Amino acid sequence: NSKVIQTPRYLVKGQGQKAKMRCIPEKGHPVVFWYQQNKNNEFKFLINFQNQEVLQQIDMTEKRFSAECPSNSPCSLEIQSSEAGDSALYLCASSLSWGDSYEQYFGPGTRLTVL
Amino acid sequence: GDQVEQSPSALSLHEGTGSALRCNFTTTMRAVQWFQQNSRGSLINLFYLASGTKENGRLKSTFNSKESYSTLHIRDAQLEDSGTYFCAPYGNEKITFGAGTKLTIKP
Repeated sequence: NSKVIQTPRYLVKGQGQKAKMRCIPEKGHPVVFWYQQNKNNEFKFLINFQNQEVLQQIDMTEKRFSAECPSNSPCSLEIQSSEAGDSALYLCASSLSWGDSYEQYFGPGTRLTVL
Repeated sequence: GDQVEQSPSALSLHEGTGSALRCNFTTTMRAVQWFQQNSRGSLINLFYLASGTKENGRLKSTFNSKESYSTLHIRDAQLEDSGTYFCAPYGNEKITFGAGTKLTIKP
């Protein structure tokens, strides 16, 4: 199945702390997506990249999150100042290309708990 | 925005039996993906379909773009099939997740 690697699997932070998680996409997949799944199982798209360039991101991501996919390094998603409402499962996915015709492969997720 | 409805929201099956999960969408979608999310939260890819039907072991999925729905059939259910099943249709260069069907398999 999927070979997307996410670390750490679990992350616990206090409010106001930075929270950083990493993702290594499947080999040969230049497109990377980040999603947030809340405790009600609702998924929210956060941001995606093609190689090192941001394709799309939502407003929340622009303001409080920083993300990057540097060349030859894992992609990362960092919350600058964690809030209780950020507690969620953060899922990284990768695909061969961008658009409707390309299957996304998901990693196991990083479960963030903000105390 | 795009609406995706999954039914039923919860389903309980005895081992060895089967059922179908449904995913309806309100706009034309180009493809659909089905996932099983296990108790640890991992999303397992089950199917990706741009049309027609695919089968894999005890699972079968159908995608009808024209009538805006997809189905996932499970037969001879096993305990390890327990989990939450999500459909995620693709359209407008994004995927939209349904709310999921929580499946419980009983011995």
